[in-house]
Amino acid sequence: KAGVTQTPRYLIKTRGQQVTLSCSPISGHRSVSWYQQTPGQGLQFLFEYFSETQRNKGNFPGRFSGRQFSNSRSEMNVSTLELGDSALYLCASSWGLAGGQETQYFGPGTRLLVL
Amino acid sequence: AQSVTQLDSQVPVFEEAPVELRCNYSSSVSVYLFWYVQYPNQGLQLLLKYLSGSTLVKGINGFEAEFNKSQTSFHLRKPSVHISDTAEYFCAAGDSGGYQKVTFGTGTKLQVIP
Repeated sequence: KAGVTQTPRYLIKTRGQQVTLSCSPISGHRSVSWYQQTPGQGLQFLFEYFSETQRNKGNFPGRFSGRQFSNSRSEMNVSTLELGDSALYLCASSWGLAGGQETQYFGPGTRLLVL
Repeated sequence: AQSVTQLDSQVPVFEEAPVELRCNYSSSVSVYLFWYVQYPNQGLQLLLKYLSGSTLVKGINGFEAEFNKSQTSFHLRKPSVHISDTAEYFCAAGDSGGYQKVTFGTGTKLQVIP
C-alpha cells in the first residue's frame, strides 16, 4: 500500500510570497494532520482535517490555512511568508475514527526555505 | 493541556551497549503515548505505542518502553543498539478527545558510536 506522499519536497520562497503544500494520505485514511518542524520548536501541531472539515487547530496565526478534498488529499497554504516560516512541514494521515490513540503515518515532508 | 518532556536532547552510546531515552508527560486525563523515530531526511515512523493494559510495550527493531503512571514517564529502552539506530526519537502523547491532536516532545538524537 502506498505511503503518505507530499509535494513538493523542497521549496525556496522569498518573504511576502505565499506557498501551497500538498499531501496525499494513505488510501482509506480520512484524517490528515499537518505539523511544522523546526530545530528550535520541534514538532508543532498545525491542524487536522477529517472528511473535508477542520476538526482541530493548533496555535498558529491565520496566515496558515488548509483544506481537504473529497478524496482526502489535503493542501496547506501559508500566505505572506516570513523568515521564521522556514521549516520542515510534515503531513500525517490516519483513519480518523479513534482520536488520539491512532497511529499516524507520516510523509517525508516538504522543506521550505524563506529568504 | 498536555506537555511532553524529553530530558536529553542528545544521547551518545557505543554500539552494542544498552540505551534508555527518557520521556515524561503531564496530563490530568488519560493519554495515549507513542514513540516515533525519524531517520535523516525522512518522516516519522512509529516504534511503539501504549494505549492501555500491560505497562511494558514492545515495538519494532528491538525497542521497548514502560509506562509508569506514578512517575508519569514512558522511557524507551533497547538492550543493545546498532549503528542503524542512529536517528532522532520523539515521544508523543495523544489526546483522549475524539480528534487527532498529538503533542510531541522536542526529540532526542541518538548517536551510536562504532
